[in-house]
Amino acid sequence: KAGVTQTPRYLIKTRGQQVTLSCSPISGHRSVSWYQQTPGQGLQFLFEYFSETQRNKGNFPGRFSGRQFSNSRSEMNVSTLELGDSALYLCASSRLTSRFNEQFFGPGTRLTVL
Amino acid sequence: GIQVEQSPPDLILQEGANSTLRCNFSDSVNNLQWFHQNPWGQLINLFYIPSGTKQNGRLSATTVATERYSLLYISSSQTTDSGVYFCAVWDSNTGNQFYFGTGTSLTVIP
Repeated sequence: KAGVTQTPRYLIKTRGQQVTLSCSPISGHRSVSWYQQTPGQGLQFLFEYFSETQRNKGNFPGRFSGRQFSNSRSEMNVSTLELGDSALYLCASSRLTSRFNEQFFGPGTRLTVL
Repeated sequence: GIQVEQSPPDLILQEGANSTLRCNFSDSVNNLQWFHQNPWGQLINLFYIPSGTKQNGRLSATTVATERYSLLYISSSQTTDSGVYFCAVWDSNTGNQFYFGTGTSLTVIP
């Protein structure tokens, strides 16, 4: 069974631009969660989508948004990029909601904002 | 939110040595996982262990949910074990997200 895939793997943007990251979960998994990892803040939860609905949201500004499609694939969008948005963005999938199920992570998208 | 503390923050071992990593959490949890982050940033699943004891080869883990801690044991360490080890928990009270610890950075030297 294929693992979680994320595209693109690397991305360089400039301040003020917007970016869209994509995540394809493991086949049969219906939940997708997104995380941001930075050296200063560590791993922080962004949001979780289950059956195309946002179930939970972390403490990030509204510039961070996401969506999930009927095939469970998910996209994350960051608008008006700031230098501090430079980070490794990880997505994870689980069979059902991640609260009671094991999560599996993708390889991540490394975003650099110049 | 729940506080997740991992210790030690850094660990240097000689190849072949054993080690114990600890994860303390401040409230009851529904879910607890251990991960190994490799140098390329990928988080590798080690254990899904909200309670009890599990073993997988040279690795084993124990979670004592009532006492709010989990332990990860690595025996006969190898250089490929190097990396950062994270525990992550889902707070059963607020129940709205996973919280990660700050990690233990392990270096195994030959």
